[in-house]
Amino acid sequence: EAQVTQNPRYLITVTGKKLTVTCSQNMNHEYMSWYRQDPGLGLRQIYYSMNVEVTDKGDVPEGYKVSRKEKRNFPLILESPSPNQTSLYFCASSRIGAGAYEQYFGPGTRLTVT
Amino acid sequence: DQQVKQNSPSLSVQEGRISILNCDYTNSMFDYFLWYKKYPAEGPTFLISISSIKDKNEDGRFTVFLNKSAKHLSLHIVPSQPGDSAVYFCAALRDQGGSEKLVFGKGTKLTVNP
Repeated sequence: EAQVTQNPRYLITVTGKKLTVTCSQNMNHEYMSWYRQDPGLGLRQIYYSMNVEVTDKGDVPEGYKVSRKEKRNFPLILESPSPNQTSLYFCASSRIGAGAYEQYFGPGTRLTVT
Repeated sequence: DQQVKQNSPSLSVQEGRISILNCDYTNSMFDYFLWYKKYPAEGPTFLISISSIKDKNEDGRFTVFLNKSAKHLSLHIVPSQPGDSAVYFCAALRDQGGSEKLVFGKGTKLTVNP
């Protein structure tokens, strides 16, 4: 079964305490992305990765880091979380082929930074 | 500057009738357009995509129409079912030599009444 998994699903932390949200996909997709969803703002892309060791900034990259050491994993790192990073985060993997595009999302991670 | 706009925050339709969700975009360089469905507490679910070189793509009850001259796309759901009640996002992708930046609209909440 095609799947994107994220962990943890819920996280409450304090300002400045480094955290990592993991993301893994089993579809051998080259593309992976991170998004955040905030009320009234929809989904905004944080970072994306076109392949192993290839990453690029999305629309709202400030305060985040990513790495892509393996094709299946794309962790999101918050070195020093702040309250404005309280949000719902989604990881996704995707592929473009044969004139079509498909993207699959993980279940989401709800992060609260106090 | 919002590149992808969903001007209707909500839509209510009777079961069995057609649901039409609309989306406008400003950048004529987008290569793909996508529709997603999102239930509360779940990640977005990919529904259907269309390449910018096509004007229609159909998958079961879902059909997406693209009008490039008007920079407008729409998702038709026929017949609508109560289980279709969710928030629908349209998104646009520009495929620039392997880079992937996906821009989302803010969503339209569809309610299908029994």
